[in-house]
Amino acid sequence: DVKVTQSSRYLVKRTGEKVFLECVQDMDHENMFWYRQDPGLGLRLIYFSYDVKMKEKGDIPEGYSVSREKKERFSLILESASTNQTSMYLCASGTDQPQHFGDGTRLSIL
Amino acid sequence: KNQVEQSPQSLIILEGKNCTLQCNYTVSPFSNLRWYKQDTGRGPVSLTIMTFSENTKSNGRYTATLDADTKQSSLHITASQLSDSASYICVVIGRSNYQLIWGAGTKLIIKP
Repeated sequence: DVKVTQSSRYLVKRTGEKVFLECVQDMDHENMFWYRQDPGLGLRLIYFSYDVKMKEKGDIPEGYSVSREKKERFSLILESASTNQTSMYLCASGTDQPQHFGDGTRLSIL
Repeated sequence: KNQVEQSPQSLIILEGKNCTLQCNYTVSPFSNLRWYKQDTGRGPVSLTIMTFSENTKSNGRYTATLDADTKQSSLHITASQLSDSASYICVVIGRSNYQLIWGAGTKLIIKP
């Protein structure tokens, strides 16, 4: 059974902290994606990666960075967390478009 | 502006009834359209994928239709079950594989 695993289901951090969200996929997919999901809005793409060490900005990259040191792992980094980054974060992987999603990390910034 | 609008925002129906969810889009050019089901606290799971040349695609009790001329799609659920309670999201893929425009979803509640 294919799997995209996000390291935390719930996370609470304080403003100004550096926050790491981790995602691992076991399908050998080239592409991995980070989205945020807010009530009343569609998923918004933050960053995606099409290969190890390669990344592309999505629609809302400000305040975020990413790291892809290994094919199976894609990390989202909030450099200095702010309250407007409180959201649900979803990771996905796929051969081209996102095909399989993790169950999300609900992040609260206090 | 590329947009995907879904209606209704939420819907409550009785178990065993049918329902239809709507998706209108303004994305152009258009590559394909997907419907996802997202259970509470879970990631989205793909239900159907349709290219611009297909007008219907079924997956069990779920049937998606597409009218590329009017830029409308619908998802019909037959004989609803309690497990169908979820959000249903319409996604349109535009000119590149990375240009996905997501609708805000329809929250469906099935009551016993």
